[in-house]
Amino acid sequence: DSGVTQTPKHLITATGQRVTLRCSPRSGDLSVYWYQQSLDQGLQFLIQYYNGEERAKGNILERFSAQQFPDLHSELNLSSLELGDSALYFCASSPTAGAGQPQHFGDGTRLSIL
Amino acid sequence: DQQVKQNSPSLSVQEGRISILNCDYTNSMFDYFLWYKKYPAEGPTFLISISSIKDKNEDGRFTVFLNKSAKHLSLHIVPSQPGDSAVYFCAASSDSNYQLIWGAGTKLIIKP
Repeated sequence: DSGVTQTPKHLITATGQRVTLRCSPRSGDLSVYWYQQSLDQGLQFLIQYYNGEERAKGNILERFSAQQFPDLHSELNLSSLELGDSALYFCASSPTAGAGQPQHFGDGTRLSIL
Repeated sequence: DQQVKQNSPSLSVQEGRISILNCDYTNSMFDYFLWYKKYPAEGPTFLISISSIKDKNEDGRFTVFLNKSAKHLSLHIVPSQPGDSAVYFCAASSDSNYQLIWGAGTKLIIKP
């Protein structure tokens, strides 16, 4: 158990809809990362938050947004969903924001767009 | 542009033998390299890392080797055990860009 909790585990919805994925980081971790993994591919970095502030941005679509709340949990909002958004979405956390430190991952949310 | 490449989608190794997983990168600015293991229906789990100032790091059965001139790193698992069957990802980052850049993964199968 990594200590990172993601909900829901599975989400099935239709094109054009909006969903919210939730992540609770490990106790004491201030940094949260979001990743997308499409079928049989590596993880694509989406966005990083550190102590409530956006720290780094990857290839995140404008239809996607995220935030980190004062209690350090984070939400990833996906809107105007398209078939291509079907993927595994992972959240990870680490104690600080520095490069090179291990990130601890949740078990992911599998999003299926019908 | 794939900055981190794992060219072998899968690898099959006999139990007890050495497993060698390879990773190549193109960005000479990477400062840190990490290996993760992933089981089905679970998130990746950190295994071992190495910084660019070293050429070897060892942790139990796992050793990572870094060849900066060749822009190549490898993960050695000795001896291989059935529980090592998983997908292995290498990832890299730099002090100037904290993003972890991931390879596509190599599926390791340990045969009894």
